[in-house]
Amino acid sequence: GAGVSQSPRYKVAKRGQDVALRCDPISGHVSLFWYQQALGQGPEFLTYFQNEAQLDKSGLPSDRFFAERPEGSVSTLKIQRTQQEDSAVYLCASSLAASASYEQYFGPGTRLTVT
Amino acid sequence: QKEVEQNSGPLSVPEGAIASLNCTYSDRGSQSFFWYRQYSGKSPELIMSIYSNGDKEDGRFTAQLNKASQYVSLLIRDSQPSDSATYLCAVSYSSASKIIFGSGTRLSIRP
Repeated sequence: GAGVSQSPRYKVAKRGQDVALRCDPISGHVSLFWYQQALGQGPEFLTYFQNEAQLDKSGLPSDRFFAERPEGSVSTLKIQRTQQEDSAVYLCASSLAASASYEQYFGPGTRLTVT
Repeated sequence: QKEVEQNSGPLSVPEGAIASLNCTYSDRGSQSFFWYRQYSGKSPELIMSIYSNGDKEDGRFTAQLNKASQYVSLLIRDSQPSDSATYLCAVSYSSASKIIFGSGTRLSIRP
C-alpha cells in the first residue's frame, strides 16, 4: 500500500520567510512524528501526535516552529521567520500504535535550504 | 553523554563476511529498540525491531539485546555491497512519546 508521503520534497526559502511542510501518513496510522535531520547526524525528534492531539512538542527548537494535525491524518509543520540554522531535512514518520514504542515508518523527507 | 551512542565508522567489511554494528543507550527504562538503514540522500528504512533480551533473526539480519548492559547490536551475515549504508540505532524513550536516534554507523562492504 501507499507509504508516508511528504511535500514539497525540496524547499528553498529566503531568510525570514515562512514555510509549511506537509506530511500524509499511512492510512489508519494513529501516531505521527516529525524529526529534523542535519547532515551526518541521526534524526532529532521534534514533536509527536496521537490522532489530532499533540502529546509531545519538547523537541521543537523554538517558538518559530509549530505543528498541527487537525483531523488526525495529514500534518503540517510550519516554520516562521526561517533562519539559516533551520536548513535540514525534515522527516515525518507514522506508526499504527498509539505510542513511540512500536515501528515507525518514514516518508521521503523535505530538504529545506534557507538562503 | 549522548542518550544513544554508536561508533560513527566507517566500518569496512569484505563481501560475504559478517558485519557487526553496536549501540549503547543510557535510559534504563527503554523498552523498544530499532535498527534503521539509511542510504545516502534517502530516508531511514526500518530493518529490525527488538523488544526483549536475546536474539531476533530476520533473514541475514540478527538483532541482539542485552538490557542489563544497555547494549543492542545488529549482525549482518553474508554482507553484500548493497548493504553499504548508514545504520541508525533508535531507542524508545521511557515516556514512550519519542524514540531517540544515534548518529549512525557508516558501513562499507568492499567487493
